Amino acid sequence: KAGVTQTPRYLIKTRGQQVTLSCSPISGHRSVSWYQQTPGQGLQFLFEYFSETQRNKGNFPGRFSGRQFSNSRSEMNVSTLELGDSALYLCASSSRQDGGYTFGSGTRLTVV
Amino acid sequence: DAKTTQPNSMESNEEEPVHLPCNHSTISGTDYIHWYRQLPSQGPEYVIHGLTSNVNNRMASLAIAEDRKSSTLILHRATLRDAAVYYCIVRRGTSYGKLTFGQGTILTVHP
Repeated sequence: KAGVTQTPRYLIKTRGQQVTLSCSPISGHRSVSWYQQTPGQGLQFLFEYFSETQRNKGNFPGRFSGRQFSNSRSEMNVSTLELGDSALYLCASSSRQDGGYTFGSGTRLTVV
Repeated sequence: DAKTTQPNSMESNEEEPVHLPCNHSTISGTDYIHWYRQLPSQGPEYVIHGLTSNVNNRMASLAIAEDRKSSTLILHRATLRDAAVYYCIVRRGTSYGKLTFGQGTILTVHP
């Protein structure tokens, strides 16, 4: 079966712009989480959605937001981009609260 | 989530078993122990998870200490493809999708 699909794979944006990243979870998975990975901070949790509701949020500024649609697909948005937002953004999905998560390959965002 | 402690790096030879340790002394009774690994230029990959009993799957085995304050991920026969960063994560049942990644253990596999 298809894995977690993230689009686009690579993105270059200018400081001050906004960006939207997309994630299609594995069919049947209703929980979608987002993570940011940088060399300095490692993997950090952004937020998690289940049935279109945000259930958990990490320690990121309000410029980072997300949403989930009725088909479980999810998007995350970063407004007013800063150079420090350059990172690999990863999406993960799961079918069970206590189960493992399947990660996508990520979107590499570069802010110039 | 409970804090975990892993060695920064470990080395192994191909086709030999590898035991990756993890300490989690502040684990609570309903916390699950998860292991993920990340190969270069890829997202993390789920390896295995467990609560109290030892667990086996096609990728690895998870041995959990009786007091649950430590666990060991066992790769029975390391291959070059197993070279990755391995993360041990203790996940609270109500953490809703949040996995707290530490620095992990960099596993090097020699041919």
